[in-house]
This record gives sequence, structure tokens and C-alpha cells, in this order.
Amino acid sequence: GAGVSQSPSNKVTEKGKDVELRCDPISGHTALYWYRQSLGQGLEFLIYFQGNSAPDKSGLPSDRFSAERTGGSVSTLTIQRTQQEDSAVYLCASSPMTGRGEAFFGQGTRLTVV
Amino acid sequence: GENVEQHPSTLSVQEGDSAVIKCTYSDSASNYFPWYKQELGKGPQLIIDIRSNVGEKKDQRIAVTLNKTAKHFSLHITETQPEDSAVYFCAASIGVGSQGNLIFGKGTKLSVKP
Repeated sequence: GAGVSQSPSNKVTEKGKDVELRCDPISGHTALYWYRQSLGQGLEFLIYFQGNSAPDKSGLPSDRFSAERTGGSVSTLTIQRTQQEDSAVYLCASSPMTGRGEAFFGQGTRLTVV
Repeated sequence: GENVEQHPSTLSVQEGDSAVIKCTYSDSASNYFPWYKQELGKGPQLIIDIRSNVGEKKDQRIAVTLNKTAKHFSLHITETQPEDSAVYFCAASIGVGSQGNLIFGKGTKLSVKP
């Protein structure tokens, strides 16, 4: 079936505005991850959802960042009052329930705050 | 929390030579270790993984080794080709079972010169 889908692929926003980034995981995958990748840098963990368990929010850099996962499927990452340092590629990944652990990534959303 | 160190940050080899990338992890409870390849403008793609009950795994020109005692694991690419040029990330899982969160190393930029 289809892979992990992220939208939009690119987003330019003005400093101070709120943005929402969407992730559609692979159907049936119960785990969902959000990562941030700054230019030329590694993958910075943001938040992790696993089934009906409470999400692991330990990577969110500030209270301006939040994420939801509705119905155990689609997830939205919201950044309020965006700052220029929020500019990065935001990557979403999903993983199956079977205990195999593999995470499959989307293409990412490139966020530019001007 | 878990910390994953990856070395080297850049690696340049001649086509046909071997390339080795090494990672260390801190959490002895980690039990799943995937490797990802990221090409320019794309999301990371899983290329090989290993679990803590296995010491080595091979898939054609790619192999991964795991030393649980020393808490390090390595990616080996033999007979490198220009299309192997990319950024490679290691990761380690944390948490209960094999569905734990994934923490990534900072990446290795591999350049294969023809």
C-alpha cells in the first residue's frame, strides 16, 4: 500500500504565525514518530505515539510545539508563534504493531519561517 | 536517557573500497538497531537492522555487527558504488519490548568517488 504521507511538502510562514503539519501513517501502523532535521544535521526526536498509550513528548523543544494523533491514525504537529529557528524539515515515521520495530519515513515537510 | 554516538561524521572512499560506520549506545535495555540511508531531499530509508539476540546480519553488500557487551554496532558496506553516496544514520530503540522509541545518531555523510 501507500507509504507515509506528509503534507504540505513545503511551507513558508511568517514569524509569529501558527502552522500545522500533517502526517498520514501507513495503514495499520500503531506507532508514529515526529522528528526534526535542521539543514545538514541529524534527526532530532520530538514526539512518539504508540497505540493508546500516553505519547512520549520528551523531545518537544518548547511549549509552542504540540502534536495530536486522532483515531490512532493521522497525526498533526502544531507549532505556535513560529520562530526563525523553527525552520527545518519535519519528518514523520510510522511503525507496525507486529513487534518488528521498523520505522518507515515520509518525505518530510520543509518549514521556512521568514 | 539513551544517547547514540555515530562516527565518523564524514567518510570518503574510492569506488570498490569498503566503508565502515560505527555507533555506540548508552542504554543497555536497547534491543533493536536499524540503519537508514538518506539521499538528498528524501526521507530516511531503512536499509538493514539487527536485534539484540543476533551478532551479525548480512544483506548482499551490506552487513551490520552488534557487540552488546561493548554497546556498539557497525555498518559495513563492501564494494562501494557511487550510488551508495548518501547520509547514513544509525538508531537504537529504547523502552519496553521492540516497539520502543528510536533515538538516532547524528549521521555520516558517505561519498564514494568513481
